This record gives sequence, structure tokens and C-alpha cells, in this order.
Amino acid sequence: GQSLEQPSEVTAVEGAIVQINCTYQTSGFYGLSWYQQHDGGAPTFLSYNGLDGLEETGRFSSFLSRSDSYGYLLLQELQMKDSASYFCAVREARRDDKIIFGKGTRLHILP
Amino acid sequence: DAGVIQSPRHEVTEMGQEVTLRCKPISGHNSLFWYRQTMMRGLELLIYFNNNVPIDDSGMPEDRFSAKMPNASFSTLKIQPSEPRDSAVYFCASSFGSASTDTQYFGPGTRLTVL
Repeated sequence: GQSLEQPSEVTAVEGAIVQINCTYQTSGFYGLSWYQQHDGGAPTFLSYNGLDGLEETGRFSSFLSRSDSYGYLLLQELQMKDSASYFCAVREARRDDKIIFGKGTRLHILP
Repeated sequence: DAGVIQSPRHEVTEMGQEVTLRCKPISGHNSLFWYRQTMMRGLELLIYFNNNVPIDDSGMPEDRFSAKMPNASFSTLKIQPSEPRDSAVYFCASSFGSASTDTQYFGPGTRLTVL
């Protein structure tokens, strides 16, 4: 079936760079989105990749390669406030346009 | 802009009781989504509406769950009868359109505990 795979946890040091990967198995989809969720909070939109390549928004960048069924979120100059869970999501190109979220990656940042 | 509004924020009920969760989407948005989040299953799409019409309800767990959107500014998710395994955080989200590029804005969620 269709699924998105992400690492469950990643640990990095404040000021460093971290990459969170997302691999997927789906027959076709419109694009890959990334959401951030702090503990006790709601998911908030970070970025969207409709085409292959890199999208940059400040300290955050997102990448998509459809041929490799792979995408990633890159966070630079990590700050303690970046400690959160990060979810990738796709909207499948089917009649019902089903939306699927990955299980999320918990990012731990060490001082 | 008030954002997506959900009520109640917390609900504790006993097994077998009816539970109704409410959502007010952002004004002008015409797509509304209901999600359920648990540690075990992550974030799951239950149902979504476009222009008040249900488009995909394949994520609704079973007949105990029902959702309505009587107008563009209000939606409900009802569980009847509730069971302990329904305990989760339920999020409502809205977006301007239904295209994949449309950002979804999530409400604060309702934390449901069924005893």
C-alpha cells in the first residue's frame, strides 16, 4: 500500500545542520509537504515541493526527487526552538486525492 | 484572523457516551479536514470536505464516527458510542482550496479521553 517512511528520532547539536529524510511508496502524487509540530501543539506548514529540486525558506530547505521516491527537510543553524516533530505528507493523485502523513520524526537538539 | 477554532479543547467521557467535536474553519477557506493523532498510528486523515461536500471519508474508522458540514463556517465530528480506543487528539484543519499546493491550517485540537 501507499506509505511514507521517516526516521522516528534524530538528535543534533544547536547551531548544526540536520537532514530529515522521507521515502515514500505511492503510485503517483502531486507533491511533498512538510509540517512542524511542537509538543502539545498543532501541526504547522513548513514547505511544499511540487517539482523535483530544492526549495529554500530561510533556515529551512526541502528537497524532492520523484525518480528516487525520496525527499528531505534540511534545517540549518539549529536553534533550541526547532525541537519538535516533523512530518512529511503527500496528496495522492487518485480520484479521492487521499492525504497521507508520515509518522513523524522527533528532533532532539542538544545545547 | 482567529485561525481554525475547535471546541472543546479537552473532553473526558465514559465509554458508550456520545461525543461531539466542533470546528470553525478560517473564513474564506473552502476545504476542511478532520484528523486523529495517536502515538501508535500517528496523524490520520479521517474525512475531508470541499465546499461543504464530503470528498473522502475512507479514513473514518467505523460507523460509530460521523461528520457533517452544514455550512461553510461549521463542522462537527461525532462519535457514538465512544470507546476507550477512540482516545486521541482530534485536529480540524482548513485550506483555501483543495489543491495539493494549498497550505492546511490546523486548529489547536481536541484531546479526547474515553474512560
